Amino acid sequence: AQKVTQAQTEISVVEKEDVTLDCVYETRDTTYYLFWYKQPPSGELVFLIRRNSFDEQNEISGRYSWNFQKSTSSFNFTITASQVVDSAVYFCALSERGRPLVFGKGTRLSVIA
Amino acid sequence: GAGVSQSPRYKVAKRGQDVALRCDPISGHVSLFWYQQALGQGPEFLTYFQNEAQLDKSGLPSDRFFAERPEGSVSTLKIQRTQQEDSAVYLCASSGVIGTPNEKLFFGSGTQLSVL
Repeated sequence: AQKVTQAQTEISVVEKEDVTLDCVYETRDTTYYLFWYKQPPSGELVFLIRRNSFDEQNEISGRYSWNFQKSTSSFNFTITASQVVDSAVYFCALSERGRPLVFGKGTRLSVIA
Repeated sequence: GAGVSQSPRYKVAKRGQDVALRCDPISGHVSLFWYQQALGQGPEFLTYFQNEAQLDKSGLPSDRFFAERPEGSVSTLKIQRTQQEDSAVYLCASSGVIGTPNEKLFFGSGTQLSVL
């Protein structure tokens, strides 16, 4: 069975601080995909990244970076120099081969000016 | 259209009423998904279409929930005899990739259903 745990329910940081959102997953499949989505107050989920299980390279996109470690079943997300516009709920999700996405419960990030 | 469109944005129903929620996916997207998001929770999978074929409905919580996509574009999620526990945001998502549900999804803003 696939499962995603986001232990941090809410995080509050001051603007320009760095923040890391944790994601731990469980799967018995060797082929799977990991995702991060952002949900701003408007409600729609916005895709941030997709990673397959065979690619453990870390990725950086502007102020965003992701650290994928199969040894600890983690796929953590770091925002560098956070901004007020980063305030949202962030979801980590897992998809085993041929199966739909399973989401974690989300982490609400508040960035204070 | 430019994005996934859902209507209505808000729906209030009395317990026992039937409701119909509409989703217009991105033009040309063959895959369409419905998710249910309870307050403070992550989205939970309901059902998945590839064109007009419903490939997976394992997430539908009861036989009161029914989804269709008759022409492979617009989809409707119908809930019969609504109950208070049906109160949630219903999210629709689409993908242009055929053959797998593992791809990047484009989500609509959802329909917030409140059952009184």
